[in-house]
Amino acid sequence: AQSVTQLDSQVPVFEEAPVELRCNYSSSVSVYLFWYVQYPNQGLQLLLKYLSGSTLVKGINGFEAEFNKSQTSFHLRKPSVHISDTAEYFCAVSGSNTGNQFYFGTGTSLTVIP
Amino acid sequence: DAGVTQSPTHLIKTRGQHVTLRCSPISGHKSVSWYQQVLGQGPQFIFQYYEKEERGRGNFPDRFSARQFPNYSSELNVNALLLGDSALYLCASSLGPQGAFFGQGTRLTVV
Repeated sequence: AQSVTQLDSQVPVFEEAPVELRCNYSSSVSVYLFWYVQYPNQGLQLLLKYLSGSTLVKGINGFEAEFNKSQTSFHLRKPSVHISDTAEYFCAVSGSNTGNQFYFGTGTSLTVIP
Repeated sequence: DAGVTQSPTHLIKTRGQHVTLRCSPISGHKSVSWYQQVLGQGPQFIFQYYEKEERGRGNFPDRFSARQFPNYSSELNVNALLLGDSALYLCASSLGPQGAFFGQGTRLTVV
């Protein structure tokens, strides 16, 4: 089985400042890792994913994440945030042999302050 | 192309009733999975179907069931509703294990 821990439930940050949202995972098998964003009263939108290969992955809206196998982490970063980045962010893991059976963290609420 | 569509968008049910939620995947996607998202929490995996066969089941009671049809659409059924079943139910479709596309969800309120 897999599990995800998102270490920060709320992250306030000023506009144009950098941000890092932390995610650690646990699994006994090889995994795929994902970050999704959820805007109020909407479904989830895929930001980026790590399947294999380069440990630094780039996604939409200027976000990137780095897979660190030794630390079992997949932290999300953005060098300069905008007001429109205010949303709930979820880290998710799936086993590489179980398809899209995602296990999500509890989410991090990012609030960008003007 | 249309994204993942779910119906209804909202509904209110009484404790003990039964509910059916519906999902139409993106055209060509053969895998559908269902998630329950309680307010303030992350989505919890309920079921995954691929080519009409159940491929995975999360830690939910037998009151929850699902099926997938030949056109790859899917239904989630919940019997004997409890107050704690109130949540946003999300459907996701995918071509493979590289990530899924989610619908807008069905907001279920049990009173």
